[in-house]
Amino acid sequence: GAVVSQHPSWVICKSGTSVKIECRSLDFQATTMFWYRQFPKQSLMLMATSNEGSKATYEQGVEKDKFLINHASLTLSTLTVTSAHPEDSSFYICSARAQGSGRNTEAFFGQGTRLTVV
Amino acid sequence: GQSLEQPSEVTAVEGAIVQINCTYQTSGFYGLSWYQQHDGGAPTFLSYNGLDGLEETGRFSSFLSRSDSYGYLLLQELQMKDSASYFCAVKRGGDDKIIFGKGTRLHILP
Repeated sequence: GAVVSQHPSWVICKSGTSVKIECRSLDFQATTMFWYRQFPKQSLMLMATSNEGSKATYEQGVEKDKFLINHASLTLSTLTVTSAHPEDSSFYICSARAQGSGRNTEAFFGQGTRLTVV
Repeated sequence: GQSLEQPSEVTAVEGAIVQINCTYQTSGFYGLSWYQQHDGGAPTFLSYNGLDGLEETGRFSSFLSRSDSYGYLLLQELQMKDSASYFCAVKRGGDDKIIFGKGTRLHILP
């Protein structure tokens, strides 16, 4: 199956700093990528939809100025957590669907990024 | 809005069969997917149902009834490595978003 690579797999940062997470589709082009956040023992919560060449669309309650998303190419989307606080500590996961794929196709997930803000 | 309901935990014995149910309520329903997630890992795709009926993939099968807004994941010949969380997820038409249920933690006893 298709491969989505997410980097870094884990990161520890100080409060107030910013952290960038990359999501790459390695062997396919992804017009759309999705960013999720998962707190321990909870479900994956969709944060935003990243569209290549246009602004991301955010789910209700997600601060777009805090979680900056850039989808500069068909193979790369980045999520930047700005001015991170301890409550932002979570597991962040991206997913992507291949460009031109039918609607009955699976979404491929990255490995996830464990963010710890201290 | 949308909501998905699935049991929070299920326990079964190694070698047995277990069924994890999922009911959903969503606008623009397009299909139901199932994902497996081991602790500390990312979700991995198991199966997708876009039409009513049963889909079989090895030891795993998934069923969908659109009229009942209901589906299930069936795991046969359970192995210890199947201990994980299982999420049902709906794919919405229009925006292609995938919305996840809260997950079912499967415990397998030897």
